[in-house]
Amino acid sequence: KAGVTQTPRYLIKTRGQQVTLSCSPISGHRSVSWYQQTPGQGLQFLFEYFSETQRNKGNFPGRFSGRQFSNSRSEMNVSTLELGDSALYLCASSFSGGDGGQPQHFGDGTRLSIL
Amino acid sequence: GESVGLHLPTLSVQEGDNSIINCAYSNSASDYFIWYKQESGKGPQFIIDIRSNMDKRQGQRVTVLLNKTVKHLSLQIAATQPGDSAVYFCAETPPDSWGKLQFGAGTQVVVTP
Repeated sequence: KAGVTQTPRYLIKTRGQQVTLSCSPISGHRSVSWYQQTPGQGLQFLFEYFSETQRNKGNFPGRFSGRQFSNSRSEMNVSTLELGDSALYLCASSFSGGDGGQPQHFGDGTRLSIL
Repeated sequence: GESVGLHLPTLSVQEGDNSIINCAYSNSASDYFIWYKQESGKGPQFIIDIRSNMDKRQGQRVTVLLNKTVKHLSLQIAATQPGDSAVYFCAETPPDSWGKLQFGAGTQVVVTP
């Protein structure tokens, strides 16, 4: 069974641009969560989608947004990029995203570098 | 609050020894906990999980212990191997928080021959 797939693996952008990252969850998983990982802040939750609806959101500015499609694939978008947005962006999927004892499984992330 | 990766502690272990990685979690109402392993250039990989109605759970070469009284988790790795070298994270699921894992800062495990 294929794991979580994230594309692209690497991206280089300049300040002020916008970027879209893609995530394909494990087949049958309907919940997709996004995280930002940096050396200074560790792993921080961005948002979660289930059945095309955002159910939860972390403490990030509105420049960070996402969506989920009917096939559970998800995208996240960051607009007006800042230097501090340089990070590894991770996507994770699970069956329901609740606390019902179902672990999230992660992709290998998209490494975003802002010049 | 959110995890802050201010400092990544390092655990050096000799190959063949047992490793114990500790983690303090923040929310006494969290009822589901997960350990992940992250190797360089990869995403976190699921190792083992435990619900709050359990004190101990065993997997292949790994054991997770949960002490709710002091909000403490530990991961024990038996007969540590070079392939166990990685950063290990504990994560908790806050109550009523769909799809959100709250991560600890992580522990770097270095296995020496």
